[in-house]
Amino acid sequence: SQTIHQWPATLVQPVGSPLSLECTVEGTSNPNLYWYRQAAGRGLQLLFYSVGIGQISSEVPQNLSASRPQDRQFILSSKKLLLSDSGFYLCAWNLGGLTYEQYFGPGTRLTVT
Amino acid sequence: AQKVTQAQTEISVVEKEDVTLDCVYETRDTTYYLFWYKQPPSGELVFLIRRNSFDEQNEISGRYSWNFQKSTSSFNFTITASQVVDSAVYFCALKDSSYKLIFGSGTRLLVRP
Repeated sequence: SQTIHQWPATLVQPVGSPLSLECTVEGTSNPNLYWYRQAAGRGLQLLFYSVGIGQISSEVPQNLSASRPQDRQFILSSKKLLLSDSGFYLCAWNLGGLTYEQYFGPGTRLTVT
Repeated sequence: AQKVTQAQTEISVVEKEDVTLDCVYETRDTTYYLFWYKQPPSGELVFLIRRNSFDEQNEISGRYSWNFQKSTSSFNFTITASQVVDSAVYFCALKDSSYKLIFGSGTRLLVRP
């Protein structure tokens, strides 16, 4: 069966520091991968999605970036965090074709101080 | 443009009551998919159901049931005999011809003992 991992689970970082969040999927090949952010008490905002290695599409211009160095690995990064980057970051995966539901990881709660 | 509206921000019920969560969607596509997700306090989004636009049959799964009506662009979710463990934020989502899942803002359900 497929599983999705995210780490770290929680993170507290000062403004201006770098960020690296990692997401990996096990038990499947060539998944579509997604990064979402959920601000406190709000809905989900799609940040990036990827349909293959090295293929990244950005949905929202910001100081975040994403990379997909391996088939089942998706990384969210920032060179300098802003206070507004605080939130709950969720990684998700699905397969193309007829299967459209996305399966979400446990999330990373980021607090920028 | 695609849009999902969950007008109920928060619902509070007493255990064993039935509760319906409303979802209204907008899309210009004739083929689309609708989803419900549950987000318990732990934060991870749990996939509940997917419904295709060409299948208007209602679905029942245990205490959960879903009513899909294309005529009113609604995809409502009913929990029968609610339990404390049903307390969570519930999201309705739409996917049409793009890679994106469009989420509603969520409905927080509190089931009191």
